[in-house]
Amino acid sequence: SQTIHQWPATLVQPVGSPLSLECTVEGTSNPNLYWYRQAAGRGLQLLFYSVGIGQISSEVPQNLSASRPQDRQFILSSKKLLLSDSGFYLCAWSTQETQYFGPGTRLLVL
Amino acid sequence: GQSLEQPSEVTAVEGAIVQINCTYQTSGFYGLSWYQQHDGGAPTFLSYNALDGLEETGRFSSFLSRSDSYGYLLLQELQMKDSASYFCAVRVGGSYIPTFGRGTSLIVHP
Repeated sequence: SQTIHQWPATLVQPVGSPLSLECTVEGTSNPNLYWYRQAAGRGLQLLFYSVGIGQISSEVPQNLSASRPQDRQFILSSKKLLLSDSGFYLCAWSTQETQYFGPGTRLLVL
Repeated sequence: GQSLEQPSEVTAVEGAIVQINCTYQTSGFYGLSWYQQHDGGAPTFLSYNALDGLEETGRFSSFLSRSDSYGYLLLQELQMKDSASYFCAVRVGGSYIPTFGRGTSLIVHP
């Protein structure tokens, strides 16, 4: 069966610090991968998606970036965090019909 | 682009039946999915409809009418643990990216 991992689970970072969130998927090959952000009590905002190694599409221009160095690894990064980057970050992979989400990383930027 | 509308909040009592509606505007409709998200957790897949009709999975059912661009999630024999946010999402043919609704907060009272 497929499993998706994210870490860390929670993170508190000062404004201006860098960020690296990692997501890995097990049990499937060449998955479509996604990064979402969710503000408290709000819907899902798609940040990036990837259909293959090195292939990244950005949905929202901002100070975040994503990379896919391996087939089942997806990384979300920032060089300098902003207060507005606080939120719940979710990685997901998908079949044609369904998205499967990781446990998420709760980021608080102070 | 695509757009979805669902109520922001629904309340019901334990043991009751509740219906959460979702209307969408899209071209190239492929399917409608439903997800459940408890506070602090990640969204989890509930159901998927590509064809008209009702899909039943235990206490949960999902309905789709393609001609009306409308679907609903039906929850029967409500339990306190059903209190959560419920998101509908549409997929269009040829796209890897689902569009999510803003979510419906379901509050179940004793």
